[in-house]
Amino acid sequence: GAVVSQHPSRVICKSGTSVKIECRSLDFQATTMFWYRQFPKQSLMLMATSNEGSKATYEQGVEKDKFLINHASLTLSTLTVTSAHPEDSSFYICSAREGEGVSYNEQFFGPGTRLTVL
Amino acid sequence: RKEVEQDPGPFNVPEGATVAFNCTYSNSASQSFFWYRQDCRKEPKLLMSVYSSGNEDGRFTAQLNRASQYISLLIRDSKLSDSATYLCVVNFYTGGFKTIFGAGTRLFVKA
Repeated sequence: GAVVSQHPSRVICKSGTSVKIECRSLDFQATTMFWYRQFPKQSLMLMATSNEGSKATYEQGVEKDKFLINHASLTLSTLTVTSAHPEDSSFYICSAREGEGVSYNEQFFGPGTRLTVL
Repeated sequence: RKEVEQDPGPFNVPEGATVAFNCTYSNSASQSFFWYRQDCRKEPKLLMSVYSSGNEDGRFTAQLNRASQYISLLIRDSKLSDSATYLCVVNFYTGGFKTIFGAGTRLFVKA
C-alpha cells in the first residue's frame, strides 16, 4: 500500500511557540491531504482538507489563522500550529489520497504527531 | 443526531468468539464505506472496504444495508491480536469530498 510519513512523530514545546508538522506521500501523488486531530479516547476529528496549490478548507470551529496549512506540492503538506497552548496538545494525523471526484479512494494515514504543549 | 454512530463498547470477548459491530449513518448520499482499525496511540489502518454485495476477508465479513443505512463488521474466531478500536468511515461527495469517522468501537479479546 501507499506510504505516508509524518515528521516529527513527537514534539514537546513551550506555550506560545509555533510548531510545524510535515506530511509527505512517499510513493504517490496526493491530490488531497487531510489533517485530523484526536484527543484521548475520542474519535478522529477532521480539521481541514487541503488540495495541492489551493487554499485549505477548514471545518467549522477550526481557526484557520491558528492552524496554518500549506499544500505546496503533490507530495507535501504542512500544518503549523501557531502560538500553541496546552489545550492544543493532541495527536495530529494527516492522510492523503490520490485522484479527484470519486469518493471511494482509500485514505492513507501518516503515523501521527503527538504534540504536547507545556 | 451524529452523522456516523457506533456503539463505543467496550466489547469483552474470549478468544475464539464471534463478535459483530454495527455502524449507522445519517446521510443517504453516502457513497463509500470502510472499516478501519486503530491500535492505541497509533494511526488508523484500513481493515476493509464495504461493498453493497458484502465482502469477506478471512475471519472478517463486512456488510452494507443501504435501506437501513448501516454497515456491519463480523469477526469470527477472535484472536488476542484483534484487540483494538474499530472505526466506521463513511465518504460522500457533494461537490467536495467529505469523510466522516465514527467514534469507534473498542474490542478486548481475552485468553
